[in-house]
Amino acid sequence: QSALTQPRSVSGSPGQSVTISCTGTSSDVGGYNYVSWYQQHPGKAPKLMIYDVSKRPSGVPDRFSGSKSGNTASLTISGLQAEDEADYYCSSYAGSYTLGVFGTGTKVTVL
Amino acid sequence: QVQLQESGPGLVKPSETLSLTCTVSGYSISSGYYWGWIRQPPGKGLEWIGSIYHSGSTYHNPSLKSRVTISVDTSKNQFSLKLSSVTAADTAVYYCARDWGLKATFDYWGQGTLVTVSS
Repeated sequence: QSALTQPRSVSGSPGQSVTISCTGTSSDVGGYNYVSWYQQHPGKAPKLMIYDVSKRPSGVPDRFSGSKSGNTASLTISGLQAEDEADYYCSSYAGSYTLGVFGTGTKVTVL
Repeated sequence: QVQLQESGPGLVKPSETLSLTCTVSGYSISSGYYWGWIRQPPGKGLEWIGSIYHSGSTYHNPSLKSRVTISVDTSKNQFSLKLSSVTAADTAVYYCARDWGLKATFDYWGQGTLVTVSS
């Protein structure tokens, strides 16, 4: 059960768009439409931003969107804002007989 | 509003057992969902420890399974984690969260509690 692979960091200027990738295998990301994304500010608990690849919980701005192609899922933040600076983690279902798995995490910096 | 709050010792000695409790308010554990434990070593990523259903059905991270016990007390609307034979590698912030099942989707989280393993 290996962690999903994310870039260590991405950055963008206010108003720009950034995309974070989350690469797994056909046994997790590629095999099911159950990818979630979490935002974590320093010293805070993670916050669910996306579930089931592309669905947003109530209250999450529509600037956040999710997608998937093959074994790679992506989170796009459009119209980047200062408060979007945080760590982001993906997670995925990995089958009926094992726990899901988290990604390695990506630090988003707003320049 | 669903709220979760972790409680337990912040310092545990090596080889001893780490014990944490999560108290849920605003939602009855007996109404459904799984309830999980996730940890995050300082400066590192998230690791799912395991989860429990109100019936007592559990699933655990295979890498920790032999040391992990997760239990539920529906009368107190609480669930608990015990991690035995701890080492410094178990030092982490421990979170409890409401779990949508094996999908690795957690919608409500506690604030987290730092547990340090040290003599």
